[in-house]
Amino acid sequence: QKEVEQDPGPLSVPEGAIVSLNCTYSNSAFQYFMWYRQYSRKGPELLMYTYSSGNKEDGRFTAQVDKSSKYISLFIRDSQPSDSATYLCAMSAPGGFKTIFGAGTRLFVKA
Amino acid sequence: DAGVIQSPRHEVTEMGQEVTLRCKPISGHDYLFWYRQTMMRGLELLIYFNNNVPIDDSGMPEDRFSAKMPNASFSTLKIQPSEPRDSAVYFCASRGQGLETQYFGPGTRLLVL
Repeated sequence: QKEVEQDPGPLSVPEGAIVSLNCTYSNSAFQYFMWYRQYSRKGPELLMYTYSSGNKEDGRFTAQVDKSSKYISLFIRDSQPSDSATYLCAMSAPGGFKTIFGAGTRLFVKA
Repeated sequence: DAGVIQSPRHEVTEMGQEVTLRCKPISGHDYLFWYRQTMMRGLELLIYFNNNVPIDDSGMPEDRFSAKMPNASFSTLKIQPSEPRDSAVYFCASRGQGLETQYFGPGTRLLVL
């Protein structure tokens, strides 16, 4: 069993839809929970991160962490074609240096 | 700042040849990471440095892989000898104090024939 599980998709939605991306994990030592966005043939870029449990909101993006269920989510409101990319969840133990990535979910937002 | 700079951007080589990938981190960042991304295994951390010192190389797949950071502005990842299964995109990332300061380079696409 992988430490981090993420459905690779692809996920196709119409413009304006709410997108929900999810990951599960098995290592209870993880404290930092990150979401990266990766456009085709580019390096990943950090979208947002949370420490421990709870929610974090940044514009159209909301990250949620449920440590009791070992489940994290990223919600994208009012999705745009420019949101079309691969979204990778990532996690690390305290210190945040040794990061484990999920497989990434490919998202297509249709105009 | 130009961001993290990697060279070459593309590399095609034959099995058995030595490959050297290069990275220039963002000025002032004291952490440098090397990652490998493949379809089968996703994005994996190979090694990371703090203040030019290797801290964790447990992700380096074999002794054929080596990484150095001779100074704060330069790092190399070397594969000798290269094998077809080393074909992947290799990313360098650097980070200052705080996770939000981490940035990835554009990657080097390596194809070993």
